Amino acid sequence: KAGVTQTPRYLIKTRGQQVTLSCSPISGHRSVSWYQQTPGQGLQFLFEYFSETQRNKGNFPGRFSGRQFSNSRSEMNVSTLELGDSALYLCASSLTGRETQYFGPGTRLLVL
Amino acid sequence: DQQVKQNSPSLSVQEGRISILNCDYTNSMFDYFLWYKKYPAEGPTFLISISSIKDKNEDGRFTVFLNKSAKHLSLHIVPSQPGDSAVYFCAGSTGFQKLVFGTGTRLLVSP
Repeated sequence: KAGVTQTPRYLIKTRGQQVTLSCSPISGHRSVSWYQQTPGQGLQFLFEYFSETQRNKGNFPGRFSGRQFSNSRSEMNVSTLELGDSALYLCASSLTGRETQYFGPGTRLLVL
Repeated sequence: DQQVKQNSPSLSVQEGRISILNCDYTNSMFDYFLWYKKYPAEGPTFLISISSIKDKNEDGRFTVFLNKSAKHLSLHIVPSQPGDSAVYFCAGSTGFQKLVFGTGTRLLVSP
């Protein structure tokens, strides 16, 4: 079974731009969660989607948003990028959100 | 408010010996705890989990111990192998959702 895939793997943007990251969960998994990893704050939960609905949300500003499609693929969007948004963005999937989460390789975003 | 803490940023162990990684938490609502291993430029890989109603869970070379009264858990790796060298994260959760991670411990296993 293929694992969680994320595209793109690397991205460079400038301040003020917006970015969209994509995540394809493990086949059959319907829950997708997003996390941000930075050297200063570690791994932090952004939000979780299940059946195309945001079910849980972390403590991030409204510039961070996401959505989930009917095939469970998910995208996250960051608008008006700031330097501090430079991070590794990880998505994780699980069957229903109530089991072990399996992570993708991440998208490394650099904001200049 | 750091709900999950890993106070040792790094640990060095010789091959064949035991590695013990520690984790403390403050949130009494956590009912599942998980350990992940992470290599550079890769996503975290799930290792082992434990329910809050248990005090031990074992999977091959990996054993996790939970002391609820002390709000402490530990991961034991026996015997340690050079391929175990990575950053280890513990995480707490309520029903496996909204994982709250510690800051990680870098394990180096030398031959």
